[in-house]
Amino acid sequence: DAGVTQSPTHLIKTRGQQVTLRCSPKSGHDTVSWYQQALGQGPQFIFQYYEEEERQRGNFPDRFSGHQFPNYSSELNVNALLLGDSALYLCASGTLDRANTGELFFGEGSRLTVL
Amino acid sequence: SQKIEQNSEALNIQEGKTATLTCNYTNYSPAYLQWYRQDPGRGPVFLLLIRENEKEKRKERLKVTFDTTLKQSLFHITASQPADSATYLCALAGGSTLGRLYFGRGTQLTVWP
Repeated sequence: DAGVTQSPTHLIKTRGQQVTLRCSPKSGHDTVSWYQQALGQGPQFIFQYYEEEERQRGNFPDRFSGHQFPNYSSELNVNALLLGDSALYLCASGTLDRANTGELFFGEGSRLTVL
Repeated sequence: SQKIEQNSEALNIQEGKTATLTCNYTNYSPAYLQWYRQDPGRGPVFLLLIRENEKEKRKERLKVTFDTTLKQSLFHITASQPADSATYLCALAGGSTLGRLYFGRGTQLTVWP
């Protein structure tokens, strides 16, 4: 049983560009959350998707947007990249009840570097 | 806004000893508190969950306590091993922001032989 898979694992972009990160949740999971983790910091919540709707959103600008597809996979889009967007982007999945209690399965992340 | 503090950035202990990590929080009343383990360059791995009405939870060599009056959780690893070396993250959930986790910065634990 594959866990949470994310792609790409690493990518380099320049300021002003746009990026799309992808996530496939663990089999049986219907919620997907995205977190940003800067070096030496804990993960920061970006948003959570359930039933193809954004259910919760953290304190991130509108440049950060997402989508959940009918097969529960998800994308994170970041427009007009800034140097400060350089981070590890983590996708986490769970069933709704487990996600509410904080029991999440995380992927290995996508390491984004903005030059 | 919510603030989560983990007692120290780094903790070094000898193999076989008990590691104790602390998580303090303010401006929040979580219904759930979790501990995650994160290895370098990897995603966090869920370890334990404790609810606001529970005082203590155990899983093998791990023990978590939760004091909602002190707004503090303690995380213990008994009979520590070098393989326990990692960063341990405390996270909170519950209330009107159900579905959202608030993480601390983590404590880097090193267990030396």
